[in-house]
Formats: sequence, C-alpha cells, structure tokens
Amino acid sequence: DQQVKQNSPSLSVQEGRISILNCDYTNSMFDYFLWYKKYPAEGPTFLISISSIKDKNEDGRFTVFLNKSAKHLSLHIVPSQPGDSAVYFCAASAATGNQFYFGTGTSLTVIP
Amino acid sequence: EPEVTQTPSHQVTQMGQEVILRCVPISNHLYFYWYRQILGQKVEFLVSFYNNEISEKSEIFDDQFSVERPDGSNFTLKIRSTKLEDSAMYFCASSGPWDRGLAFFGQGTRLTVV
Repeated sequence: DQQVKQNSPSLSVQEGRISILNCDYTNSMFDYFLWYKKYPAEGPTFLISISSIKDKNEDGRFTVFLNKSAKHLSLHIVPSQPGDSAVYFCAASAATGNQFYFGTGTSLTVIP
Repeated sequence: EPEVTQTPSHQVTQMGQEVILRCVPISNHLYFYWYRQILGQKVEFLVSFYNNEISEKSEIFDDQFSVERPDGSNFTLKIRSTKLEDSAMYFCASSGPWDRGLAFFGQGTRLTVV
C-alpha cells in the first residue's frame, strides 16, 4: 500500500528555471512532511519540511507547498542549479505513528 | 554537525550467512530506524525502535531480522540467514522527540549477498 506517491520518476529542467517536484499522499493522519535529496551511493539528506498547520515553507531556493484538501505537496526549486541534480524523496509521518513513509523518488536533472 | 554513521560501507556475504550492520545514531536522539533500498526501487521501511524495543516493523522485517541497541550508542541490524534478495542499501536513521523530530540518515551499508 503506497501511502506516499511521486508519480514522476524523472524530471529535466534547464539551469536557472524552476523545478517543481510533486508528491501525493493518501493517509489523512499524516501531519508532517519532509523532502530528502539523495545522491547515488549516499544516504538521503534532509532538505526541507512542513507541518500540516502551514501551507508553505521557504528556505532559500527551496519552497514546499502543502495542499491538505488535495493531499498534495510540492517542492519548488528556484533557480535550479546543476548541483541540484539528484533523486528527491518526499516523506510523511503521523504523530500517532513511528515511521516515515517515503515516496518512490523523482530523479531531477538540471541541464547547464 | 552531528551525523549518523554506519559501518561497514560495503559488506559482501554468502547466502545463508549471518550479517550484522552497525549504526551509531546521533547521540541525543530517541528514535532509531532501519530502511533499505533495493537497486532501482523505492526506499522501504524495515523497523523503528524506541525505548529499547521495536515500535513498528514492516512485513519485510520477518524472523530473519532483528535489531538491538547493545550498549546505548550502537544500533545494529542482524540478518540471520541472508538471501540473495536481501542485497540492498541499508540505511540507518535517527530522530529526536517524535512530535517534531525529523530523521537523519547515515550514508548506508551496501549489502551484497552472493
């Protein structure tokens, strides 16, 4: 049962443009959402998070948007840089549980 | 900056052998996790551990798997009799107080079962 879904396995964007990565979830109990960035042969690195009491969180070039009614979140990267090329995972958790549920990942390629 | 460390970085073992993957979580964290990623597939939850006991486990985490926090700093994952399909990257993670904790991951151990 895939509770967190990333329907785009890959995305290519020109350097300097916006990258938008999407994530959908099914469990209405999720109240905390995270984005991780992963390079090959490395562990996921935390990027940005958002709690369900907010609909937007911004950190430099990275902004996460949460639409609770649609059970959808997105990560915007502006401007995109070649170093942003990696696999991005969204993850969700519920205060009542003890695990993070991961999406399948989106591989972002930023073309110089 | 505190980090989660995992050893070894790569482990090759014969099918049927026991392996122990080791992790040193961030020192003031309370929750510990193991995840794995089979090549080309998604990151999968195995188990979470809190207060010296398993708090949640997935269907993957069957009787062949066990976890332990033997000395208050290390967190280990043991696979008793490895199978070919256990070959994967295994990631350890830890997090602080649950209410707003986020998980920090180690660099992973690549397990290859031959």
